[in-house]
Amino acid sequence: EAGVVQSPRYKIIEKKQPVAFWCNPISGHNTLYWYLQNLGQGPELLIRYENEEAVDDSQLPKDRFSAERLKGVDSTLKIQPAELGDSAVYLCASSLDSDAPGDTQYFGPGTRLTVL
Amino acid sequence: DQQVKQNSPSLSVQEGRISILNCDYTNSMFDYFLWYKKYPAEGPTFLISISSIKDKNEDGRFTVFLNKSAKHLSLHIVPSQPGDSAVYFCAAHGANNLFFGTGTRLTVIP
Repeated sequence: EAGVVQSPRYKIIEKKQPVAFWCNPISGHNTLYWYLQNLGQGPELLIRYENEEAVDDSQLPKDRFSAERLKGVDSTLKIQPAELGDSAVYLCASSLDSDAPGDTQYFGPGTRLTVL
Repeated sequence: DQQVKQNSPSLSVQEGRISILNCDYTNSMFDYFLWYKKYPAEGPTFLISISSIKDKNEDGRFTVFLNKSAKHLSLHIVPSQPGDSAVYFCAAHGANNLFFGTGTRLTVIP
């Protein structure tokens, strides 16, 4: 079974430019997560979707970040405009049902963003 | 404030010996805990988990111990193999979200 797919794997842009990341979760997984991982740190949640609904976006910087999961499957995360401090790895994860006891999140390979 | 802490940024162990990775947490409401393993340029891979109502879970060479009174968990790998060299993240589940530690880089020396 295919895992979580993310693209692109690497992206280099200049500051103030827009950028978008795409994620395809594991088939059948209702919950999708976007995380930010800075160098030397653990992943930090940006947003969590239950199907197509964003149920926790409290850590998403809404002035420049946006996300969508229109049909409850694939998701995109956008930054506009990008700043130097946005350079990091953006991870997508999915799980069957975040309400289920012991629900496990499975991660994609991430997109490494470099803002110059 | 960091709710999950891994105070050892790195650990080196001889092949065949035991590796012990430690993790501390502050929130007593966490209901289960997970360990993830991460190789360079890859996403974290789920390794093993433990419910807050248990004190031990074993899967092959990997065992996780939970001490709720101390708010401490540890991952034991025995015997350690060179392929185990990676960054290990401890994570705690609460409020439908995962809270990660900063990771411990394990190096297994052949």
